[in-house]
Amino acid sequence: TQLLEQSPQFLSIQEGENLTVYCNSSSVFSSLQWYRQEPGEGPVLLVTVVTGGEVKKLKRLTFQFGDARKDSSLHITAAQPGDTGLYLCAGTGNAGGTSYGKLTFGQGTILTVHP
Amino acid sequence: NAGVTQTPKFQVLKTGQSMTLQCAQDMNHNSMYWYRQDPGMGLRLIYYSASEGTTDKGEVPNGYNVSRLNKREFSLRLESAAPSQTSVYFCASKQSAKETQYFGPGTRLLVL
Repeated sequence: TQLLEQSPQFLSIQEGENLTVYCNSSSVFSSLQWYRQEPGEGPVLLVTVVTGGEVKKLKRLTFQFGDARKDSSLHITAAQPGDTGLYLCAGTGNAGGTSYGKLTFGQGTILTVHP
Repeated sequence: NAGVTQTPKFQVLKTGQSMTLQCAQDMNHNSMYWYRQDPGMGLRLIYYSASEGTTDKGEVPNGYNVSRLNKREFSLRLESAAPSQTSVYFCASKQSAKETQYFGPGTRLLVL
């Protein structure tokens, strides 16, 4: 069974601060996704990383996939109250396997950005 | 385009009652999934259907059954609800060979 450990579980910061959320596993994933979820809604995909060492940027959000494809990080620069939400990492399959798109989710990080 | 729709939005059951959660997608996706979300545990896969006519167990299938009625619809059934099945249930779909899963708004279930 593949597991993803996400940390921290809770993050409460002031507007303008930087933060990093980590997603770690002992298993190799063929790809890793980051989702954001608002209260009362389903998760919405932010980004997918597929290549070891890959870095993707989405405005103030930077996503990185570890070289060994076992870990990933999400860094937010100059956080804003609109960034408040639940952030989830999710891994797809393992190298060489047939996953049918099944996702293994981390526990999630609840981010609160105070004005 | 409604995307992924789920009914009902909320449900309260007594222990032992049965119910079916409905999910439909209008994006012509091949694959559909049922997850449950509990505090501090992220989302866990209950069942999935890689294509019309096929279903397979996920990580936590006990106490649930599914039916892929057609390409659009994938239902989740609780035959005899238990308090441990109190959770938020999400349905998702995706196109084969694509990475993105699209999630519905969820069904909040309370089993007393």
